[in-house]
Amino acid sequence: QQPVQSPQAVILREGEDAVINCSSSKALYSVHWYRQKHGEAPVFLMILLKGGEQKGHEKISASFNEKKQQSSLYLTASQLSYSGTYFCGTETPTGTASKLTFGTGTRLQVTL
Amino acid sequence: DGGITQSPKYLFRKEGQNVTLSCEQNLNHDAMYWYRQDPGQGLRLIYYSQIVNDFQKGDIAEGYSVSREKKESFPLTVTSAQKNPTAFYLCASRSRTGDYEQYFGPGTRLTVT
Repeated sequence: QQPVQSPQAVILREGEDAVINCSSSKALYSVHWYRQKHGEAPVFLMILLKGGEQKGHEKISASFNEKKQQSSLYLTASQLSYSGTYFCGTETPTGTASKLTFGTGTRLQVTL
Repeated sequence: DGGITQSPKYLFRKEGQNVTLSCEQNLNHDAMYWYRQDPGQGLRLIYYSQIVNDFQKGDIAEGYSVSREKKESFPLTVTSAQKNPTAFYLCASRSRTGDYEQYFGPGTRLTVT
């Protein structure tokens, strides 16, 4: 079953912050975050492998609450280049059959 | 440079024809994946392969076929049985150890009329 992302879309002014949430109905082994620009391939942002793990990349960070089966992506002081669609990909602990199931995406637009 | 290549970038076919999309990687990854993306939608898994000569159906495998004869290559055939084949197709690969990042190719946009 597909993870649920919220919000579906958000519009920000440059410099504002945003939070994107990803929620799964299944126990999770890992959560991956990607950003996709229109017509291009998704670009990897970060992976969270352990419950409670937080990772950061410049002004983009994420957290993973294993118990709640949720992850959140935090974008601070947004830049125009942050515009795009953000996807979470979740991986369940199903032995060796490793695969990601992606959410429906959150469309982020940053304006001047 | 290591990476994933997909060809062609744009592909046009007539309804009723089979078409094969190419995916090659030189990252020495064991696992490879095919996704389909429709406008405004997320990524849906078609097929995946963890090792050579083995592959599994994903969530929307009907109307598609794959092969994995070489570690570097994972071609996808869109058959005439696929009811609505027009979409953006993305290939990805991933290491099964260490770096768990999944890398995507640039994609092939298939239009069937």
